[in-house]
Amino acid sequence: DTGVSQNPRHKITKRGQNVTFRCDPISEHNRLYWYRQTLGQGPEFLTYFQNEAQLEKSRLLSDRFSAERPKGSFSTLEIQRTEQGDSAMYLCASSLRGPSYNEQFFGPGTRLTVL
Amino acid sequence: GENVEQHPSTLSVQEGDSAVIKCTYSDSASNYFPWYKQELGKRPQLIIDIRSNVGEKKDQRIAVTLNKTAKHFSLHITETQPEDSAVYFCASNTGGFKTIFGAGTRLFVKA
Repeated sequence: DTGVSQNPRHKITKRGQNVTFRCDPISEHNRLYWYRQTLGQGPEFLTYFQNEAQLEKSRLLSDRFSAERPKGSFSTLEIQRTEQGDSAMYLCASSLRGPSYNEQFFGPGTRLTVL
Repeated sequence: GENVEQHPSTLSVQEGDSAVIKCTYSDSASNYFPWYKQELGKRPQLIIDIRSNVGEKKDQRIAVTLNKTAKHFSLHITETQPEDSAVYFCASNTGGFKTIFGAGTRLFVKA
């Protein structure tokens, strides 16, 4: 499968624990995005990378959230001291950089449940 | 701040009828408008997009229209089929990195 992949697909954790998710974009894509999606809502932008640089971060993202893309390939999203309100589907997407606004290809998501 | 409103939230049509989903955006700098289809338990997938220098775009049974003055854009699906049943999201982008999505429209196509 040459599409965007995410691991794990499901994560159940207890409140207060830390979790880390991984996203592997399409290999030639240098743009990578993280979104959060709750039931009945559209994807909500969290953060964006161009290569290894994190260029934008949503104001909605608290200090408990951090994302990295150390070598400009895969990315990780960490949530510290999880809260029940963090329960959601976390989606990763990637796209090519170009003069136009290229299609974002989404991964299957990581569904987080915080008990 | 930036906002995309999408209506209706639920739409039920008979197979063969047309379906129309409407969105409005708030940021006048928005210049790219993609539409995504998300089937139950699956990832969102782009079905059509339109840029601000174009008023209408069509791809087989799907068309999108854009009214920049009114900040409206719409998705039109003709000759609907049961496999069109899904959640559809509109979105807007200002040419930067941030894409704002609507809340989605759940489309049911009854056979």
